[in-house]
Formats: sequence, C-alpha cells, structure tokens
Amino acid sequence: GAVVSQHPSRVICKSGTSVKIECRSLDFQATTMFWYRQFPKKSLMLMATSNEGSKATYEQGVEKDKFLINHASLTLSTLTVTSAHPEDSSFYICSARDSSAGENSPLHFGNGTRLTVT
Amino acid sequence: SQKIEQNSEALNIQEGKTATLTCNYTNYSPAYLQWYRQDPGRGPVFLLLIRENEKEKRKERLKVTFDTTLKQSLFHITASQPADSATYLCASQDGGFKTIFGAGTRLFVKA
Repeated sequence: GAVVSQHPSRVICKSGTSVKIECRSLDFQATTMFWYRQFPKKSLMLMATSNEGSKATYEQGVEKDKFLINHASLTLSTLTVTSAHPEDSSFYICSARDSSAGENSPLHFGNGTRLTVT
Repeated sequence: SQKIEQNSEALNIQEGKTATLTCNYTNYSPAYLQWYRQDPGRGPVFLLLIRENEKEKRKERLKVTFDTTLKQSLFHITASQPADSATYLCASQDGGFKTIFGAGTRLFVKA
C-alpha cells in the first residue's frame, strides 16, 4: 500500500528557532501534498497545499512566511516552522495523493510530528 | 461555506454491538464521501469511499451509506471489538483539490 513517511515524529525546540518537518511518499509520486495542523481532540485543519515545482497555496489565516513549504520533488515536501513560538506547539500531519490515481483518490497520511516549543 | 459535520463527539458501545456514526454535509453536494480512522498520535488511515450514486458500500465489518436526500452518510461497524476504538473522520473534497474533514467521532468499545 501507499506509504507516507513523516519525520521527525517528535521535536522539542526553543522559542525563536526554526524546525523542519519532512514528508516523503515512499512508493508513489505526489504532485500535490497537503499540510494539516491538529489541536487536541479537534479535527484536521488544512494549512496549505504543496505543489511540486511551484509555490504552495496557503489557507486563509496561515502565515506563509511563518510556515515555509518546499516541494522540491515528486516524493518530498518540507514544512519549516520559522521563529517558532509556544503557540506553534501542535500536531502537524502531512498527506499526499497518488498522482496516478486521480483527483478523487484517498489521501495517504504520514504519522504526524508533535512539535513542542519551549 | 461548505461544511462536514459529525455531530457525535464520542460514542460508547458494548463489544459485539453495531456502532453507527453520522456525517452530515451542508452547502454543497459532494460527489463522494470518505471515511478515515485515526488512532491517538497517528495520522488518519483511509477506510472507505462511497460515491453519490452508490447507496451502500461494504468492507468486511464496515458498511457506509450515502443518502443525498438527507445529505448524510452513516458509517457502521458490526460486531464491534475493543480494537475498533479510535476516532473516525468523515471527509470529502470541496469541489477543488482540497479535502475537508469533519471533527471526528471518538468511538469507545467496551469489552
């Protein structure tokens, strides 16, 4: 089955530093990947759509300079949380859709990254 | 705006019973609905997809229905087991590339 690998699974950083999260599709190509944020006992909130070879599309209210997204290849997207603050602490999850499977195909999710900013 | 709502935040049932979870959508007509399972600290895992022209879809102990009149999908787990305890998410695309999710229903199956 389609596997999405997300690293790191947990990260603790100090306020003001930057953190990079990687999302890789292991056995399929993904023109589009999605980054979500999830608060405790809440649903997934879409932050941005990552497009291979072009700029990401950010949802309303998400600061693009704060959450830098790079989708350099068909199997890798990265999310960098810049100048992290305690309010950025959250569970970040990436997902990808198999480019060969069509627009209606299900999303394949990574296992998430628990970010704690101290 | 387009919405997907799962009205039950949590559902407690006894092992062996059938769990029924509800998903309602408003302000749009999705071509399909998806159901995912999410365990604590993990990413969601896709379970089933049902299209608007399909009344029912089954996979092992899972059954999903799609009622376009009621604007609702029901997700059933028959002969539920404690291992079925998880959060179940309803999702659909918003007409574009984006997938929107309901808030989820946490299912607790007691032995």
